[in-house]
Amino acid sequence: DMQMTQSPTTLSASVGDRVTITCRASESVGTWLAWYQQKPGKAPNLLIYRASTLENGVPSRFSGSGSGTEFTLTISSLQPDDFAIYYCQQYNTYPCIFGQGTKLEIK
Amino acid sequence: QVELVQSGAEVRVPGASVKVSCKTSGFTFTSSGITWVRQAPGQGLDWMGWISGFNGNTNYAQKFQGRVTMTRDTSTTTAYMELRSLRPDDTAVYFCARRGDYGDYQADWGQGTLVTVSS
Repeated sequence: DMQMTQSPTTLSASVGDRVTITCRASESVGTWLAWYQQKPGKAPNLLIYRASTLENGVPSRFSGSGSGTEFTLTISSLQPDDFAIYYCQQYNTYPCIFGQGTKLEIK
Repeated sequence: QVELVQSGAEVRVPGASVKVSCKTSGFTFTSSGITWVRQAPGQGLDWMGWISGFNGNTNYAQKFQGRVTMTRDTSTTTAYMELRSLRPDDTAVYFCARRGDYGDYQADWGQGTLVTVSS
């Protein structure tokens, strides 16, 4: 199976910071990549699909880029509500596996 | 608006089966699909498979092949996931999710169902 690897595993940052999370695929997934945010005790929430398309209602401070095997999720100016776990997911081939997650915590 | 409402928490002994339901509304069920994802305590997201709302075709992750069955009832726009031969490491929150309009990402999620497997 393909592998999806996120880095870093944990990221400490402050409100107002610009942060970037990286997701690497073990083989090319084109732009068939999504990003999710998950808060404790809640279901994940779709942020971005097709590597860079913002889901309706998601704040514009979130952005995604990349293609092939390397992708990034950027939050331009962290807000208190953004501290959560972020997952990437490839949906180019089955199984549509997720990265292991990146925990974004308050510094 | 889109809603996916899952059945309540379940407790099973090892070797038993569990069937989780996912009642949907707010979208055309037969034009979409339902994916099942699970999350063990403190762990990441594990894609289990999906079922087409249109024709009931399924695709399961190999690790669950032979133990999982996904079905749907178009008359009630409800999807089901049955997992058999349960083991303690199947203890997890099981989520259903609506397939995205433009691919196999998960656009909307149910609230999750905790399945506990313990003797």
